[in-house]
Amino acid sequence: TQLLEQSPQFLSIQEGENLTVYCNSSSVFSSLQWYRQEPGEGPVLLVTVVTGGEVKKLKRLTFQFGDARKDSSLHITAAQPGDTGLYLCAGEGSSNTGKLIFGQGTTLQVKP
Amino acid sequence: DAMVIQNPRYQVTQFGKPVTLSCSQTLNHNVMYWYQQKSSQAPKLLFHYYDKDFNNEADTPDNFQSRRPNTSFCFLDIRSPGLGDAAMYLCATSRDPRFAQYFGPGTRLLVL
Repeated sequence: TQLLEQSPQFLSIQEGENLTVYCNSSSVFSSLQWYRQEPGEGPVLLVTVVTGGEVKKLKRLTFQFGDARKDSSLHITAAQPGDTGLYLCAGEGSSNTGKLIFGQGTTLQVKP
Repeated sequence: DAMVIQNPRYQVTQFGKPVTLSCSQTLNHNVMYWYQQKSSQAPKLLFHYYDKDFNNEADTPDNFQSRRPNTSFCFLDIRSPGLGDAAMYLCATSRDPRFAQYFGPGTRLLVL
């Protein structure tokens, strides 16, 4: 069974601080997605990474896919209150059915 | 320019009273998914359609059914809602099972 372990589960920081969220597995994933979900809304796709070692940047967010495609990280520079939300990593399972395997999520609170 | 639309956004039903949630998409994607999400947890896949092919998750209760009359629409029917079925229900679509999923805003279901 493929699992994604996401850490930390909760993070409360001050505006302007940096943070990193990790998504780890013992299994290889063909691709991995990061979503942000605000309260009462659906998850919004931030990025998809598919190549081992790939780094993608989205403004102050930097996403990295591990060389072995078993792990990923999300780094936020100078966090702002608008970054508050639930961050979810999700990997495509080996069965290639499109079934996403989700991490447990990281709830981020950025205080002004 | 909404892409995945869910109606209603909030639904209140009574214990045991059938309820239907709807999802429509303007993306012309082949795959449509239904997820259940409880507070601050990752979404849990209930079932998905790949075109007209229905794929039920093994642990989805029989109380949950789905219909996809055409490419654009998909419905979630809960035949006899229990208190434990109160949750956010998310619809998602993807062009192909290998590609990223796009979520709707969700329907929050309350069971009285």
